[in-house]
Amino acid sequence: DAGITQSPRHKVTETGTPVTLRCHQTENHRYMYWYRQDPGHGLRLIHYSYGVKDTDKGEVSDGYSVSRSKTEDFLLTLESATSSQTSVYFCAIRRTGVSSYEQYFGPGTRLTVT
Amino acid sequence: AQKITQTQPGMFVQEKEAVTLDCTYDTSDPSYGLFWYKQPSSGEMIFLIYQGSYDQQNATEGRYSLNFQKARKSANLVISASQLGDSAMYFCATNTDKLIFGTGTRLQVFP
Repeated sequence: DAGITQSPRHKVTETGTPVTLRCHQTENHRYMYWYRQDPGHGLRLIHYSYGVKDTDKGEVSDGYSVSRSKTEDFLLTLESATSSQTSVYFCAIRRTGVSSYEQYFGPGTRLTVT
Repeated sequence: AQKITQTQPGMFVQEKEAVTLDCTYDTSDPSYGLFWYKQPSSGEMIFLIYQGSYDQQNATEGRYSLNFQKARKSANLVISASQLGDSAMYFCATNTDKLIFGTGTRLQVFP
């Protein structure tokens, strides 16, 4: 258990509304990530953070923004949700060890945009 | 750009048999990592095993081993003595700071 929670776990929203997903970690990891998972695409990186207020884009960042004002929280915002953003969203943290860089994932948030 | 290819959309294996899930990768980084994750039907992503590009030995974790062939750019996952609970989606991924995932292989273990 990497101490990662995501909220909400499920959300249904209408096209054009703003949506914020929250990722919270309890272990003080520097790196945090947001991915989306869609059938046929595996997981794709949306944005990531390498420290408080330090963020960068992933491969599918259009339509998403992120913020990290505290080490433990990483927020993903859909400014104006579209049906193409219906997906399962995973947050992850990266542990840095002597010889490994594995990421550990939260339980996921299922978002449906109608 | 990094890329992961998993060519087996689905695999079947009988309980107690070994199974190999294929993964090939393409990366321009001189130093990289290779990862395997398991996603059961409940949806969570479970880290299984990691191989560093400079590691001399193939990684092993219990019944999981990673058959790393650098020259062929392959990082196949071998599951020995399959169990019914191994039925899941399996994803291969590469890189260290930003994971790039393949599209996954669905493994089904039958009695």
